[in-house]
Amino acid sequence: DFQMTQSPSSLSASVGDRVTITCRASQSISTFLNWYQHKPGKAPNLLIYAASSLQSGVPSRFSGSGSGTDFTLTISSLQPEDFATYYCQQSYSTPRTFGPGTRVDI
Amino acid sequence: EVQLLESGGGLVQPGGSLRLSCAASGFTFNTFAMTWVRQAPGKGLEWVSGISSGAGSIYYADSVKGRFTISRENSKNTLYLQMDSLRVEDTAVYYCAKGDSSTYRRGDRFDPWGQGTLVTVSS
Repeated sequence: DFQMTQSPSSLSASVGDRVTITCRASQSISTFLNWYQHKPGKAPNLLIYAASSLQSGVPSRFSGSGSGTDFTLTISSLQPEDFATYYCQQSYSTPRTFGPGTRVDI
Repeated sequence: EVQLLESGGGLVQPGGSLRLSCAASGFTFNTFAMTWVRQAPGKGLEWVSGISSGAGSIYYADSVKGRFTISRENSKNTLYLQMDSLRVEDTAVYYCAKGDSSTYRRGDRFDPWGQGTLVTVSS
């Protein structure tokens, strides 16, 4: 199975900050990497697919990059509604696997 | 608008069974793969199972293989998860999610997701 790790596990930031979350795969997954945002009591929301493609309807302050084993999610200017937990997920093979999550709070 | 509505969660004793349903609307259900993902209390997201549009391909996480059965009834636009031999560690919110093609293909993505249904396994 492909193991996914994320760092940091949590971070504190302020509105307007630039935030970067990293995700690492145990083996190369090319660009088969998705990012999701999850708020308590809500459905998870797809932000980025194929490592760097912005899902329709997602604000442009979200961006993704990377390939192979190392990936990054960047929020260029943190907004109040962005406080949530972020997960990477590999879509290279089954079983699909998620990273452990990065909690972003104030 | 695509909508997914899970139901069937509840409290069950260890060793018991439960069947979850996911009612889909707003898209042509029989042309998309579907997925179940769960989140245990205080934990992250865990992929549980996936099924292709025609149910010809089915996949399970090792943690549920042999105990859970995914299925779909395309005539009713409904996805199911039959959960048998439940364990305390199966306690979680269970989400269904729509795929982006008919198969579980490399590069697929889960969007959207339902709001989830809580399953509690406890004596």
